[in-house]
Amino acid sequence: DAGVIQSPRHEVTEMGQEVTLRCKPISGHDYLFWYRQTMMRGLELLIYFNNNVPIDDSGMPEDRFSAKMPNASFSTLKIQPSEPRDSAVYFCASSLKNYGYTFGSGTRLTVV
Amino acid sequence: AQTVTQSQPEMSVQEAETVTLSCTYDTSESDYYLFWYKQPPSRQMILVIRQEAYKQQNATENRFSVNFQKAAKSFSLKISDSQLGDAAMYFCAYRSAFQGAQKLVFGQGTRLTINP
Repeated sequence: DAGVIQSPRHEVTEMGQEVTLRCKPISGHDYLFWYRQTMMRGLELLIYFNNNVPIDDSGMPEDRFSAKMPNASFSTLKIQPSEPRDSAVYFCASSLKNYGYTFGSGTRLTVV
Repeated sequence: AQTVTQSQPEMSVQEAETVTLSCTYDTSESDYYLFWYKQPPSRQMILVIRQEAYKQQNATENRFSVNFQKAAKSFSLKISDSQLGDAAMYFCAYRSAFQGAQKLVFGQGTRLTINP
């Protein structure tokens, strides 16, 4: 298995633009997680899905953020409009119940 | 809500020596899982070791082992024969066994430096 695949690896965008981050989980994993990592706040859970259904989105900072999982092999995290404070590394991870996550390589987002 | 605390922001060790990273957590649950993750400069998050709370035996993976003290809610990571490639941020994490609470709760991390 190729692991969890995220794209793009780096994204630089201007304030106000829409940003879409993509994730392909490991086949057979029924949980998918989106985390954000910053120096100030560490690793924060944004949202997670179980069998493509959102279970906990309490970490989504505001309405500018949205996430979808249309099928078991694909998820997106969208920010619209983006702001400089959204600059961070965004990780996608997948897992089976009670096991450790397998993380993707992350997307470093810079909003200027 | 569960919390995870890593009280050592930075640690350093001489190559080939042994180092222990500390982690404590707070929970009212009896069934859960604990993990250590490593994040080298490449930023990839790598699972180092996993411990099941209902197992008294401490988990071991090659040079990595844990000291799990359930009553004290302590979960430390011991790295033996430290190697330069062990230099990284290390994160302790908690995961509930409850079906509706499967998220990982992370500590703030410990930056480990290996001195040659």
